[in-house]
Amino acid sequence: NAGVTQTPKFRILKIGQSMTLQCTQDMNHNYMYWYRQDPGMGLKLIYYSVGAGITDKGEVPNGYNVSRSTTEDFPLRLELAAPSQTSVYFCASSGRDLLREQYFGPGTRLTVT
Amino acid sequence: AQSVTQPDIHITVSEGASLELRCNYSYGATPYLFWYVQSPGQGLQLLLKYFSGDTLVQGIKGFEAEFKRSQSSFNLRKPSVHWSDAAEYFCAVGAGSARQLTFGSGTQLTVLP
Repeated sequence: NAGVTQTPKFRILKIGQSMTLQCTQDMNHNYMYWYRQDPGMGLKLIYYSVGAGITDKGEVPNGYNVSRSTTEDFPLRLELAAPSQTSVYFCASSGRDLLREQYFGPGTRLTVT
Repeated sequence: AQSVTQPDIHITVSEGASLELRCNYSYGATPYLFWYVQSPGQGLQLLLKYFSGDTLVQGIKGFEAEFKRSQSSFNLRKPSVHWSDAAEYFCAVGAGSARQLTFGSGTQLTVLP
């Protein structure tokens, strides 16, 4: 049971490039989330999904897009990368029950130069 | 909208000493409260959670937290700190249809030998 996996672990992008951060969970969780963590800050929610085909914006969605075509996968797309998107990105998932907790992946460290 | 405040950016304690990390939240309804720990370069691991019932909750690694509605607080405690507890600690409140998490900015714990 791998839990939540994220690829890549590290990436350097040039300004204006695009990329997709991959996230996969094998726990059959309905809910999935993308957060970003800036130095010295807590995590901020970018997008979330309550199930396949359903996504919604979080607190800081600008510059990102998501899709959820399957229960397992929740990729995050960066279009026209900017230095302000330099951050560590965490994917998380949770189940349906009321007491559910979020399980986090190991993170992707992205630098935009 | 909900918010979480962790007033202590950095705390240093000696190994074997007791620990209390403060967390204050703002939320209009009964909160879902969490404490997560993040070791360097790692994702987040859940320490404990509170939804209802007994206001003193026990977690992993010997941690406990007490929910005080009158003070809007959910402070994390440990009677005797171990060197391996050095990490960053995040308090979070869950709300919304997907229990989206709003995080505090974190408290960095240093443990002296």
